[in-house]
Amino acid sequence: AQRVTQPEKLLSVFKGAPVELKCNYSYSGSPELFWYVQYSRQRLQLLLRHISRESIKGFTADLNKGETSFHLKKPFAQEEDSAMYYCAPKMKTSYDKVIFGPGTSLSVIP
Amino acid sequence: EAGVTQSPTHLIKTRGQQATLRCSPISGHTSVYWYQQALGLGLQFLLWYDEGEERNRGNFPPRFSGRQFPNYSSELNVNALELEDSALYLCASSKRQGGLSYNSPLHFGNGTRLTVT
Repeated sequence: AQRVTQPEKLLSVFKGAPVELKCNYSYSGSPELFWYVQYSRQRLQLLLRHISRESIKGFTADLNKGETSFHLKKPFAQEEDSAMYYCAPKMKTSYDKVIFGPGTSLSVIP
Repeated sequence: EAGVTQSPTHLIKTRGQQATLRCSPISGHTSVYWYQQALGLGLQFLLWYDEGEERNRGNFPPRFSGRQFPNYSSELNVNALELEDSALYLCASSKRQGGLSYNSPLHFGNGTRLTVT
């Protein structure tokens, strides 16, 4: 069965410190990988997706197929990064549901 | 572009009643997803509609149902409401899934807060 885990429910880092939000998945096959973010009082929105290899707001995500992980990283955390982050793998097949991880609440301490 | 819109913003119902939640996707999007976000439980997948048909369903009882209209808007119905149905219900839309569109991201609405008393 498809499963997505984000081991840290809460993560606090100081401003300027590196941050890593972990995501592990168990899927048969190779899913496409997304990270979504929800800032306070805003709607859930796409942060980045693996296929585009893009860096958004300084975040990057490394896919490790061997470990089936897709961790989100940023070298220097900013206060505005405080938000809820969700990992969401998606199978590359038609009509497969999009399951979200339980989410990690990131708090950046000034 | 106009984003995903959901109505109503808030809905208060009594146990046993029925609730109807509505969602209008972004223009050009044919897929609509429904998620339940209960306190402390993250996003739980409910239903997925694409081009008018139900494509997949989460582990929810049959009293959670919905449909997608020809204009791709969608409706979620919850019958025989129970107290634990109180949650934020999120709708998301994306371009048609399948083929080369499998990597289309989801665009979310602001949600409908359902309270069952």
